[in-house]
Amino acid sequence: AQRVTQPEKLLSVFKGAPVELKCNYSYSGSPELFWYVQYSRQRLQLLLRHISRESIKGFTADLNKGETSFHLKKPFAQEEDSAMYYCALSATTSGSARQLTFGSGTQLTVLP
Amino acid sequence: DAGVTQSPTHLIKTRGQHVTLRCSPISGHKSVSWYQQVLGQGPQFIFQYYEKEERGRGNFPDRFSARQFPNYSSELNVNALLLGDSALYLCASSFAQNGQTQYFGPGTRLLVL
Repeated sequence: AQRVTQPEKLLSVFKGAPVELKCNYSYSGSPELFWYVQYSRQRLQLLLRHISRESIKGFTADLNKGETSFHLKKPFAQEEDSAMYYCALSATTSGSARQLTFGSGTQLTVLP
Repeated sequence: DAGVTQSPTHLIKTRGQHVTLRCSPISGHKSVSWYQQVLGQGPQFIFQYYEKEERGRGNFPDRFSARQFPNYSSELNVNALLLGDSALYLCASSFAQNGQTQYFGPGTRLLVL
């Protein structure tokens, strides 16, 4: 069974400081990993996915299969980055369904 | 496009009652998944439906059931409600069964008293 761990429930950084949100996973197959973000009073939305190797809103995440990690990073945090961040792993079930397994989330607060 | 829509937004029920939650996917999306999010935790997979058939089920009791209609909208039904069923229920749609990107609705917040 797959598992996603986000060790930090709360993370506070000052504006302009670097930020790293940690995510570790366990999965026997080839993982597909995502970061979802939920801003205050908004729906859960996709931030980025590892297969795209893209940078969204200045965030990047690199899949490290050796360390089974998919940490989210941004070199200079902005106040508008304050939100709840969820790491998620996509796996195919026995019935060929595409199932997302989420971590418990990290609440990021960027202080002025 | 309004994105994934869910109704109702909030619901209060008592133990033992039954509830039906509704979801309309993004136009053109044929797959709908349901998730339960308990306070303080990440969403947990309940079901995936594709082309009106159940394609996957998470670790939830048989009190939970769902169906998908010809227009790809979906209903989640929960029977014999327990206090522990209080949660935010999220619906997500994707284009195909193996659609990698799932788009979430705003959720239905269910409170069981």
